[in-house]
Order: sequence, then structure tokens, then C-alpha cells
Amino acid sequence: DTAVSQTPKYLVTQMGNDKSIKCEQNLGHDTMYWYKQDSKKFLKIMFSYNNKELIINETVPNRFSPKSPDKAHLNLHINSLELGDSAVYFCASSPDSNNEQFFGPGTRLTVL
Amino acid sequence: AQRVTQPEKLLSVFKGAPVELKCNYSYSGSPELFWYVQYSRQRLQLLLRHISRESIKGFTADLNKGETSFHLKKPFAQEEDSAMYYCALIPRTAGNKLTFGGGTRVLVKP
Repeated sequence: DTAVSQTPKYLVTQMGNDKSIKCEQNLGHDTMYWYKQDSKKFLKIMFSYNNKELIINETVPNRFSPKSPDKAHLNLHINSLELGDSAVYFCASSPDSNNEQFFGPGTRLTVL
Repeated sequence: AQRVTQPEKLLSVFKGAPVELKCNYSYSGSPELFWYVQYSRQRLQLLLRHISRESIKGFTADLNKGETSFHLKKPFAQEEDSAMYYCALIPRTAGNKLTFGGGTRVLVKP
């Protein structure tokens, strides 16, 4: 009965590879997000979707492409991975953008 | 654009001592403010928000619009309070986004 789930939990890959992280929420929320937490624990929003529509797209490289097949899912695809992409990526959801956000457990991405 | 500053990266206190985590924000309008907490190996979760005016796990936070601050306080820290704490702000406008401070790690020593 996990509210916001992410897979995989850990991802170790080589530079230059393409990888995806999946996120699902079963809370019926309209808004979903992707955040990046760097090695210094700094959290920064990357994307926000509302009802499958992109509403926030921060300054992230084009190599990052979010995809929302339906309201309950927001996946993150990363092309041509670089060393600097190593971080913990958190998915979150909320009823609307003014409300409390519920976070997934995070995906620790390590690029070698 | 909004900004949230948490000046302390690390706060180390003894069990039973008071703890105060500072949070200052800059935003020209009227924001919604939150404190999120991340315990070791757990997901980020909401601790409290200013509009609810609640005390959660003994923590309180008061919004001071004059000083643009939202400091988090607890009179008697417990070991289980050791965690990473993030102050966050949402502006009350369309397309608003949650902006986090840099986080403060709290270590409560026995």
C-alpha cells in the first residue's frame, strides 16, 4: 500500500548509457514531481506535471526527459549519462501544487 | 524568484537540550512555508506547515513576516530527532513550485 513508489532503488551504470527511473503514486493526486538531491543533500526541483501536462521545467539538460503516461505515473528517462548525474532522485506527488508533497523513497543513481 | 536559506548545515545538541533550526526566506508575496524531515534511510516527509499552526513531535515553527523567517524549535531534543531538516516555500501563484533550503542536519547526542 505504498503511496509513492520508485524503481529501481539503486542504479549503477556506465557513462554514456541511457536509463529510466519509474514512479507511481496510488494517492489519486493530480500533480507529480521529480527532484534531484546532490551529494551535499541539496534538493532541487527538476520537473512538475499536472494531469499529465508539464507545468514546471527547471534548467535541466535536454538529456533528461520526463514522461507521464497517465496521472499516476511520471517516469524519468536520462540519455547519455554523465558523472555529474550521480545523485539521489526523488519522485513526489501532491493533490495540487499548493499542498503537502508526498515523496517516494528515492533512487540512488551512480554513474561510473 | 523565491529563495530559502538555512544558515546552519549541522546542529549538534545533547538530548534534552533545546534546538532551533533557522530558516529565512525571500519572496515578495505571501508564501506557504513548510518543514520537511528526512530520517536516516527514510523518505522525505512533511513535519509541519505554517498554516496548520500545529505542534508535531514537539516541534513548532512560527512564521515571522517582518523578519521573513520560519524557524523550527523544540524545547527538549530527543535522539530520534536526529535527521536532515528542510525548510521549504511555495508561493501562492499559478505554476508555483516548492523551493527547498539547503537543509540542516541535526545530531542529538545522548
